[in-house]
Amino acid sequence: AQSVSQHNHHVILSEAASLELGCNYSYGGTVNLFWYVQYPGQHLQLLLKYFSGDPLVKGIKGFEAEFIKSKFSFNLRKPSVQWSDTAEYFCAVNTLNTGFQKLVFGTGTRLLVSP
Amino acid sequence: DAGVTQSPTHLIKTRGQQVTLRCSPKSGHDTVSWYQQALGQGPQFIFQYYEEEERQRGNFPDRFSGHQYPNYSSELNVNALLLGDSALYLCASSYTQGMSETQYFGPGTRLLVL
Repeated sequence: AQSVSQHNHHVILSEAASLELGCNYSYGGTVNLFWYVQYPGQHLQLLLKYFSGDPLVKGIKGFEAEFIKSKFSFNLRKPSVQWSDTAEYFCAVNTLNTGFQKLVFGTGTRLLVSP
Repeated sequence: DAGVTQSPTHLIKTRGQQVTLRCSPKSGHDTVSWYQQALGQGPQFIFQYYEEEERQRGNFPDRFSGHQYPNYSSELNVNALLLGDSALYLCASSYTQGMSETQYFGPGTRLLVL
């Protein structure tokens, strides 16, 4: 079965620090990759996605992620975080073997940015 | 443009009862997926509906069932509730257009089973 690992469960940063959240998945075939964010009191929102093409994808609010196929990774980055980035971040994978859209999520990373 | 909506927002039930949760997809979307998010966990796929039929199911017992209506809205039903069913239930909608789709999530229904 496919699985997604997010090794950092809690991350605390000061404003302006750089961010990198790890995401690894276990599936050898073609995948679609997503990062979703859940701000306090809000619902899951799409941050960015990778379907094909350039492995470096840019999302909203200055976030980007790099797909490294050989490492089965899709790490999320932001050069300088803001207090408003405090949220929970979820990596998700859709494997394309079934032809159906079924997302497998990681357990999430809680990011706290101190002002 | 309305996003995905879910009702109710919160629900309290007792063990053994049955519950129905509702979801209206984003305008233009024809596919609805349901997820369960337990505290401290990522969402787990329950099932997906397309053209009023369940077309994929996760590792959930038959107590979990659903329905999709011609207007694409959907319901999630859970029978014989257990304490462990307490969770945030998320609905996500998408447009079926081949292999690459993006799911958009609603705010969820928080279910507490006592």
